[in-house]
Amino acid sequence: ELKVEQNPLFLSMQEGKNYTIYCNYSTTSDRLYWYRQDPGKSLESLFVLLSNGAVKQEGRLMASLDTKARLSTLHITAAVHDLSATYFCAVDIRFGNEKLTFGTGTRLTIIP
Amino acid sequence: GAVVSQHPSRVICKSGTSVKIECRSLDFQATTMFWYRQFPKQSLMLMATSNEGSKATYEQGVEKDKFLINHASLTLSTLTVTSAHPEDSSFYICSVEGNYGYTFGSGTRLTVV
Repeated sequence: ELKVEQNPLFLSMQEGKNYTIYCNYSTTSDRLYWYRQDPGKSLESLFVLLSNGAVKQEGRLMASLDTKARLSTLHITAAVHDLSATYFCAVDIRFGNEKLTFGTGTRLTIIP
Repeated sequence: GAVVSQHPSRVICKSGTSVKIECRSLDFQATTMFWYRQFPKQSLMLMATSNEGSKATYEQGVEKDKFLINHASLTLSTLTVTSAHPEDSSFYICSVEGNYGYTFGSGTRLTVV
């Protein structure tokens, strides 16, 4: 059974600081996704990582994927209050049973 | 990616009644749609995979007689929560896999009183 773990579960950080959220998964995966969820809302897609060594950046967020280590990171640079949300990674296994398995989520709070 | 519309966004119902939630893929013909449930402060858990024209595939522990899924066309899947109880109160989200990944509906907040 595929397991996807994120850490930390909760993260409180000051504006302007940098931090990294980690996503570990237990079996070979074809794709890894990062999503943002604001309170009471659905998911907003941030990144899709398709191959080993993939790195994608959008604004203050950068995601990377190491398929050998089964690890993805979401790095936040110079955090601003607007980034406060819950972030989920999700892993997609495609051989005959395509579906997403979500990580536990990281609740990020940016303090002014 | 696909554009997904989910309705209603909020519903309050009495215990013992049934509630239907609709998920529409507006610009993509979806042979497969996914239904998730999210309890407060928890992650999303896949409930079932909805297959157009055939039976849904339910995840382990999900009661198929309680959560009825119908996927009668390439643009519409419905989830009916039958004989709802307070413990069914949750946030239900549908998803469509398009050409560029998964797109999620806006979610339905179900409260059973």
